[in-house]
Amino acid sequence: SAVISQKPSRDICQRGTSLTIQCQVDSQVTMMFWYRQQPGQSLTLIATANQGSEATYESGFVIDKFPISRPNLTFSTLTVSNMSPEDSSIYLCSVSGGLSYEQYFGPGTRLTVT
Amino acid sequence: KNEVEQSPQNLTAQEGEFITINCSYSVGISALHWLQQHPGGGIVSLFMLSSGKKKHGRLIATINIQEKHSSLHITASHPRDSAVYICAVKNSGGSNYKLTFGKGTLLTVNP
Repeated sequence: SAVISQKPSRDICQRGTSLTIQCQVDSQVTMMFWYRQQPGQSLTLIATANQGSEATYESGFVIDKFPISRPNLTFSTLTVSNMSPEDSSIYLCSVSGGLSYEQYFGPGTRLTVT
Repeated sequence: KNEVEQSPQNLTAQEGEFITINCSYSVGISALHWLQQHPGGGIVSLFMLSSGKKKHGRLIATINIQEKHSSLHITASHPRDSAVYICAVKNSGGSNYKLTFGKGTLLTVNP
């Protein structure tokens, strides 16, 4: 299994500002993902963070709004840029690796934009 | 229609009751996950299934691939089981481990 930590655990931010969320894994993993969970909704995949190359974004998400870094196999960041109240969500980091389909989730970052 | 449907949406039980949460999906899958989300937002992976049945403590998960259906059972439920339970499937094919999630079932177990 993999143990994932995220920072910050929660934050309240003002409209128009940006927040960077960090994800740290206790072991090297192949795949890292960033999800968003808006209030009352299911999780939606934002992007797959690729080590050493640009992230792969899902439909509806763009790099300018959600820039992602993945400098190594244990760490990634997601930035939520130019925030609006609609960005208020829980943001979750997830990892998968190896030949199995096991997937592990971080504790989440609860973001409120005022 | 969502690819992953869960029922019920909300479930209230008394401590000690046997609980069943259902998940139906409409696509071919290679794996199905049951996840638990507590009020703080963090998610714990309970089970990953591709066939049959798995048991861990008081939790049992079953899957019927032909019927495209899975169930999560909790025996002797306890207030600490109160959480949102989420079903997620990995579509067969594809290469990026992308999961499709149900909307979750909110379980409240009263003492």
